[in-house]
Amino acid sequence: NAGVTQTPKFQVLKTGQSMTLQCAQDMNHEYMSWYRQDPGMGLRLIHYSVGAGITDQGEVPNGYNVSRSTTEDFPLRLLSAAPSQTSVYFCASSSMTGAVYYEQYFGPGTRLTVT
Amino acid sequence: AQSVSQHNHHVILSEAASLELGCNYSYGGTVNLFWYVQYPGQHLQLLLKYFSGDPLVKGIKGFEAEFIKSKFSFNLRKPSVQWSDTAEYFCAVRFVDFGNEKLTFGTGTRLTIIP
Repeated sequence: NAGVTQTPKFQVLKTGQSMTLQCAQDMNHEYMSWYRQDPGMGLRLIHYSVGAGITDQGEVPNGYNVSRSTTEDFPLRLLSAAPSQTSVYFCASSSMTGAVYYEQYFGPGTRLTVT
Repeated sequence: AQSVSQHNHHVILSEAASLELGCNYSYGGTVNLFWYVQYPGQHLQLLLKYFSGDPLVKGIKGFEAEFIKSKFSFNLRKPSVQWSDTAEYFCAVRFVDFGNEKLTFGTGTRLTIIP
């Protein structure tokens, strides 16, 4: 299993540009989520999904969109990048059943800089 | 809103010293508790988790944590740290009674081990 994969690893955007961060998992996990990690603030939840076609907002959803058309993929879209979105973004997934339910597996992260 | 607190922002220890990192959460109901570790340049990995049963849980790499319900705490311990334990440590809580699947993370504790 590849686990949770994210692309790209690094990205530099200009203010106002849009882009999509990709996330995929091959563990058939129902739950997927996006976090941003900023110094001194830990991980903050942006959006999450409990299955294909179902998404919901987390703690800091403004400026981001998500969709979940398949179990495997959960892309995060930045609509109009702002310097405040400079951060490291992590995707995570977990099963919602069985012995390891809610044990989240994290991807390697995407380091985004907005100038 | 439910919250998770990690009061130690940066801890510096010498090798072989004992470690205890604090984690407190804001709600007295049913919780699932997790400790994650992030080694430099890597993504988050699960150290240990508590769902129910014995409040003293053992994880990987010699770490353990104790759930004390009356104190709303889930402190992480290791009797003798090694240089390779240098990392950032995150406590995370799922507030089960609120009927959602989200994890709320603390702000993290940076641990530096001096050889």
